[in-house]
Amino acid sequence: SQQGEEDPQALSIQEGENATMNCSYKTSINNLQWYRQNSGRGLVHLILIRSNEREKHSGRLRVTLDTSKKSSSLLITASRAADTASYFCATDARGGTASKLTFGTGTRLQVTL
Amino acid sequence: DAGVTQSPTHLIKTRGQQVTLRCSPKSGHDTVSWYQQALGQGPQFIFQYYEEEERQRGNFPDRFSGHQFPNYSSELNVNALLLGDSALYLCASSSLDRDVGDTQYFGPGTRLTVL
Repeated sequence: SQQGEEDPQALSIQEGENATMNCSYKTSINNLQWYRQNSGRGLVHLILIRSNEREKHSGRLRVTLDTSKKSSSLLITASRAADTASYFCATDARGGTASKLTFGTGTRLQVTL
Repeated sequence: DAGVTQSPTHLIKTRGQQVTLRCSPKSGHDTVSWYQQALGQGPQFIFQYYEEEERQRGNFPDRFSGHQFPNYSSELNVNALLLGDSALYLCASSSLDRDVGDTQYFGPGTRLTVL
């Protein structure tokens, strides 16, 4: 079963604009990870945020986590056509030796020139 | 440093057949997890192997089985294929070494089509 849902399901923006995707989940987590997937291929890891962290940055990516609301957001600033992909959040309930990921349904991002 | 590799890239089978998919983890990783991704959906956890044993299992029938070898590579076997088994099968590697962290690195996937 899917742990959470991404919102929106699809997003279309122009190059240079910012893109924000949201993820909601249902159970307590150890960490939350964001992945990108191009055209049904393998998943590329973007960023991991732990349950005791509230915000994390990596290049043009900014991730926030609100464990009280069981939600996270991914912000991509100054988007590029190459950012066109599906983005998934994945929760890890236990981490460490019991780590397994539960994925949301994904957000399809289209960045046009 | 080679990342996670999977073979084959694509596979076409008919109902009732059996299939074996292969995965080599990223260098330095000792844990392999398998996921099934149906079209338009997020990946779903099948099972995880560590020290050549199945450590965790998702909600998949016994038709799905696996193996991990001493070199940490892994196989996913699916018996008595059904049309609904058509999906992208993803392998992810990670390490239980806390210095490496909890990040799972995914391979390019194997696209299985069952006719």
